[in-house]
Amino acid sequence: EVQLVESGGGLVQPGRSLRLSCVASGFTFDDYPMHWVRQAPGKGLEWVSGISWNSGSIGYVDSVKGRFTISRDNAKNALYLQMNSLTVEDTALYYCAKDDGNYFIDYWGQGTLVSVSS
Amino acid sequence: QLVLTQSPSASASLGASVKLTCTLSSGHSTYAVAWHQQLPEKGPRYLMTVNSDGSHIKGDGIPNRFSGSSSGAERYLTISSLQSEDEADYYCQTWATGIRLFGGGSRLTVL
Repeated sequence: EVQLVESGGGLVQPGRSLRLSCVASGFTFDDYPMHWVRQAPGKGLEWVSGISWNSGSIGYVDSVKGRFTISRDNAKNALYLQMNSLTVEDTALYYCAKDDGNYFIDYWGQGTLVSVSS
Repeated sequence: QLVLTQSPSASASLGASVKLTCTLSSGHSTYAVAWHQQLPEKGPRYLMTVNSDGSHIKGDGIPNRFSGSSSGAERYLTISSLQSEDEADYYCQTWATGIRLFGGGSRLTVL
């Protein structure tokens, strides 16, 4: 059974940093790209960032470029999102998601909540 | 520019069928899309991928009541024999080089 478990969310002041983690199990982690997707309160899904199996290809939505960094540790079956210079617009539930290898998301975590407020 | 357009809402009666639509922007009519279901207060769940020829591949454990189809730039998710637990938000998703993209979502109400 595929499981994706996020952690690291919390309440943080604008301008501060936070690091999200996702631990994966139930599949061969280093065979697949992985993603972070977020959902602001009452809003739809927004893809944030993705990383290829070997970290050789990385992408970000324009609104987080230069502030967020995605990474992975295949030895630990872990995905990370380092978020710097946070703004109130970054407040959202952040989901870890597995790619099926054909550019589509096929499994989701339960999410970790990031609240940015002074 | 690649954009996925979904109607914000849809409704249908218990036991009936409903067809949700995801429209690909001009010039992208050959793209496949994935459909995801989000029940109230829950994380999303992958339902299926629908190709431009209408063929579709379902995720693990997705009931036969859920099916996909295509016509031109439109990708459809059809839910038959609607049940109350089908009341949810439904999102389509596709990709372009280096990015993934979601439609705005359709909220399905089961009457």
